[in-house]
Amino acid sequence: DTGVSQNPRHKITKRGQNVTFRCDPISEHNRLYWYRQTLGQGPEFLTYFQNEAQLEKSRLLSDRFSAERPKGSFSTLEIQRTEQGDSAMYLCASSRGPNEKLFFGSGTQLSVL
Amino acid sequence: QKEVEQNSGPLSVPEGAIASLNCTYSDRGSQSFFWYRQYSGKSPELIMFIYSNGDKEDGRFTAQLNKASQYVSLLIRDSQPSDSATYLCAVAPNDYKLSFGAGTTVTVRA
Repeated sequence: DTGVSQNPRHKITKRGQNVTFRCDPISEHNRLYWYRQTLGQGPEFLTYFQNEAQLEKSRLLSDRFSAERPKGSFSTLEIQRTEQGDSAMYLCASSRGPNEKLFFGSGTQLSVL
Repeated sequence: QKEVEQNSGPLSVPEGAIASLNCTYSDRGSQSFFWYRQYSGKSPELIMFIYSNGDKEDGRFTAQLNKASQYVSLLIRDSQPSDSATYLCAVAPNDYKLSFGAGTTVTVRA
């Protein structure tokens, strides 16, 4: 099954360190999304890509966050100078196109100590 | 006002009963509506989607949409312990992203 794959599953880091997460979408999906979810809340939209172009970034995405999707395949999300408030589940999802269903990966659980 | 609001729960129902989940949304131009199920510590899993007013049934699940009232619901018939999870309502206010509610946690008592 070629579902959405995320790595690592868990990441524990110290405040101030940089972290990078990877997402491999379903192969025929040209849209890729990053969401963040904290306990007791629904996923919050961070950013999305149409192929390799990053078309929208939420105001939640501070300058410490950067996402890339080179060649329109996998994507990386980097957080620089992590803060305790960055602790959350980071979810990647992909879809075929507009108004299509999102399929989520297993997520990366980030804990900032 | 939040874009998507769900009844706060938690909702506890006996096995075999109907669980009813409600969701309202603020953007009248929303076109697509989804229900995701999320088990504790897992990622959301799509269980239903609906685009048109009315009811849509899939097995034990029925989604209901009323665009005039900006309301979408999910009924789970013959609830099973395996249905115990958080159910997320998601709405597409435009053609590129989903906005999620905070979720309703359902517990099915055996």
